[in-house]
Amino acid sequence: DAGVIQSPRHEVTEMGQEVTLRCKPISGHNSLFWYRQTMMRGLELLIYFNNNVPIDDSGMPEDRFSAKMPNASFSTLKIQPSEPRDSAVYFCASSSGRLNEKLFFGSGTQLSVL
Amino acid sequence: GNSVTQMEGPVTLSEEAFLTINCTYTATGYPSLFWYVQYPGEGLQLLLKATKADDKGSNKGFEATYRKETTSFHLEKGSVQVSDSAVYFCALSLLSGGYNKLIFGAGTRLAVHP
Repeated sequence: DAGVIQSPRHEVTEMGQEVTLRCKPISGHNSLFWYRQTMMRGLELLIYFNNNVPIDDSGMPEDRFSAKMPNASFSTLKIQPSEPRDSAVYFCASSSGRLNEKLFFGSGTQLSVL
Repeated sequence: GNSVTQMEGPVTLSEEAFLTINCTYTATGYPSLFWYVQYPGEGLQLLLKATKADDKGSNKGFEATYRKETTSFHLEKGSVQVSDSAVYFCALSLLSGGYNKLIFGAGTRLAVHP
């Protein structure tokens, strides 16, 4: 298996633009997580999906952020409009089973909002 | 609330030195504890885990013991290598909102020099 695949690896955009990050989880995994990593705040959980249904979105910063999982093999995280403070590395992770203890992370998307 | 506190980095060591990275936690209930490692340019990957008090997790020469009395899970390795240079994250897993939620510490960067 290729692991969790994220795209793009790097994204540079201007303030106010829409940004869409993409994730393909490992086949057969039923849980998907979006995390944001910054120097100041470390690794923050943004949203958790189980069987394509959002279970916990309490970490989504504000209405500018939205996430979807239309099927078991694809998820998106959208920021509209983007702001400089959204600059971070965004990770997608997936896991299988009930315990969600072993997460498999993608390589991340480095987002820079100018 | 539930949280994980790690020693601040960077930790800089010479090859074959002994490594300790401190981790303490605050949790309601009985969490499972983990160490994840992030190599440059990659996502996090599970290094080791322990699910109950006095359990010792081990992998690739790294060890950590779940100490309930001191709420700690310190990571140790007897002889580090240059290839161990990475960021190490301590984490706990607790049942929250009907699912197991992973809460990460801020991460500790380790740099090993020849």
